Amino acid sequence: SAVISQKPSRDICQRGTSLTIQCQVDSQVTMMFWYRQQPGQSLTLIATANQGSEATYESGFVIDKFPISRPNLTFSTLTVSNMSPEDSSIYLCSVLGFGGAPNEQFFGPGTRLTVL
Amino acid sequence: KQEVTQIPAALSVPEGENLVLNCSFTDSAIYNLQWFRQDPGKGLTSLLLIQSSQREQTSGRLNASLDKSSGRSTLYIAASQPGDSATYLCAVGAFGTASKLTFGTGTRLQVTL
Repeated sequence: SAVISQKPSRDICQRGTSLTIQCQVDSQVTMMFWYRQQPGQSLTLIATANQGSEATYESGFVIDKFPISRPNLTFSTLTVSNMSPEDSSIYLCSVLGFGGAPNEQFFGPGTRLTVL
Repeated sequence: KQEVTQIPAALSVPEGENLVLNCSFTDSAIYNLQWFRQDPGKGLTSLLLIQSSQREQTSGRLNASLDKSSGRSTLYIAASQPGDSATYLCAVGAFGTASKLTFGTGTRLQVTL
């Protein structure tokens, strides 16, 4: 399976500020995604990170709030902008199209964000 | 819109017991179904992936089955161990958007000594 790392692993931020989360994969993958897991909830897809073009956002998520970059096939960033306490969640990146498991998604360790 | 439900929400069993976790989904037109485990405060570990054309998949003490027509999947864990304690999530991928997973609410499992 792919080795996926995320930075930072956790952070505590003040409301109104922004945080950029990095996701690094140890090999090239076809697709990368960003999910949010609010406290006590399951995972919700934020967007698909497209290499070299704008991300594709799910209903309820907008680029101004969650700008995403994907400059190459192994790296992506998610920024949480103008944060409020409601943004406190675990943010996870996932990948698809790795090696011999083209249909299986693998997840990073997550970034635990607390907004005060 | 696909909805995925997992029952029970929480389960506590003594070590050595065999157990079954349930996952149901409302739209049977799925591409695949994936089971994950999540340890507290951690990311997700993929356990098993079942394509829509398959009936079951096995990995060690784990066996996952899929009944598309009834909208159900089960995860069977044999001879449970304390190390199996975690939250188990099922997620379905739909045709045309197989990469987009819809997650269930999870079953929190505790295996006691």
